Amino acid sequence: AQSVTQLDSHVSVSEGTPVLLRCNYSSSYSPSLFWYVQHPNKGLQLLLKYTSAATLVKGINGFEAEFKKSETSFHLTKPSAHMSDAAEYFCVVSEGELGSARQLTFGSGTQLTVLP
Amino acid sequence: EAGVTQSPTHLIKTRGQQATLRCSPISGHTSVYWYQQALGLGLQFLLWYDEGEERNRGNFPPRFSGRQFPNYSSELNVNALELEDSALYLCASSSLGAQNTEAFFGQGTRLTVV
Repeated sequence: AQSVTQLDSHVSVSEGTPVLLRCNYSSSYSPSLFWYVQHPNKGLQLLLKYTSAATLVKGINGFEAEFKKSETSFHLTKPSAHMSDAAEYFCVVSEGELGSARQLTFGSGTQLTVLP
Repeated sequence: EAGVTQSPTHLIKTRGQQATLRCSPISGHTSVYWYQQALGLGLQFLLWYDEGEERNRGNFPPRFSGRQFPNYSSELNVNALELEDSALYLCASSSLGAQNTEAFFGQGTRLTVV
């Protein structure tokens, strides 16, 4: 069975300072891992995904995430926060046998606030 | 290429009525997922359909049901609506099998029960 834990429900940073949103997962198979962002009253947009080709994954808007198998973590980072980054972020794991349909499991979300 | 489309965008119903929400996946995607996002409760998994079959359902009462049609579009039905069913209902689709295929989300249907 798979599960996702987002360690912080709320994170507040000042504009221009680094962002760290933490995610730990458990999975019975080799998982796929994703980060999605949801701006107020909007649907979810994919930020980045782990493809197993590289442990450091670059996404849109300057976000990155590093897959650490030994720590079962997939933390999301950005060197310098922008006001437009204020949103809710979801860590997602997808697993299943190759060739079969895959179930998504969402973390509970982290609300990022960016202070001027 | 069209993304995941959901209809209607907004729906207002009275308590006890039934609501039907619709989702059209991206062309070629066979899996459809439904999620409820109620205020303060995060994203709650409702249902997962693939190839016309229900693969899994979340911890919701039986009055939440759905189906997937041969063209892979899907309906979510909520019977005997309660005030706490008011939420944003999100649909997502993905393709079969590929390890690193992400899910694509629609903009959601905002259901308000009064």
